[in-house]
Amino acid sequence: EPEVTQTPSHQVTQMGQEVILRCVPISNHLYFYWYRQILGQKVEFLVSFYNNEISEKSEIFDDQFSVERPDGSNFTLKIRSTKLEDSAMYFCASSGLAAISYEQYFGPGTRLTVT
Amino acid sequence: SQELEQSPQSLIVQEGKNLTINCTSSKTLYGLYWYKQKYGEGLIFLMMLQKGGEEKSHEKITAKLDEKKQQSSLHITASQPSHAGIYLCGAANNAGNMLTFGGGTRLMVKP
Repeated sequence: EPEVTQTPSHQVTQMGQEVILRCVPISNHLYFYWYRQILGQKVEFLVSFYNNEISEKSEIFDDQFSVERPDGSNFTLKIRSTKLEDSAMYFCASSGLAAISYEQYFGPGTRLTVT
Repeated sequence: SQELEQSPQSLIVQEGKNLTINCTSSKTLYGLYWYKQKYGEGLIFLMMLQKGGEEKSHEKITAKLDEKKQQSSLHITASQPSHAGIYLCGAANNAGNMLTFGGGTRLMVKP
């Protein structure tokens, strides 16, 4: 069964460093998303991506964040200068088309720890 | 912005018992998702509802979206230890390009 995969499963970085989180969405999906979950808190939307551009972004997704689809299979989230408060589980998701009509599938997550 | 309230926040039931989890939205629901999450892991898709009055079932789990499309319920029949986890409801915005999540319901099933 197709699934969303994410690497690495756990990333430890020092404050101020850049990190890139990687995702391989389900192959025939067209919408891609990043969410995060700070320990003990709600899952929060960061950004959605469709047709090689950002479709929607939240207030959390500031200039420190960027997304890219560098090739036909990968979808990445870059944090330019990490802060302690960026420590969270980051989830990638994908759907066939807009989530209003199509099922949105999540990856297993990358746990980011900023020290 | 849309807010989703889940109740109860946590639930402990004896194996074999039925249970219901509710998700109430501050705005009309365009698409309502139910996911299951085990601690520290990813979200597993359960069901998606769109139409008022819609009901879907998967194995022993049934989800409904009320007619006014502002509330959904998730019902588990004859609960098993494998049902334990955190159940999350998520609502799509009208453009369908983001989900807003509720705070989750933590379910424990005692054997």
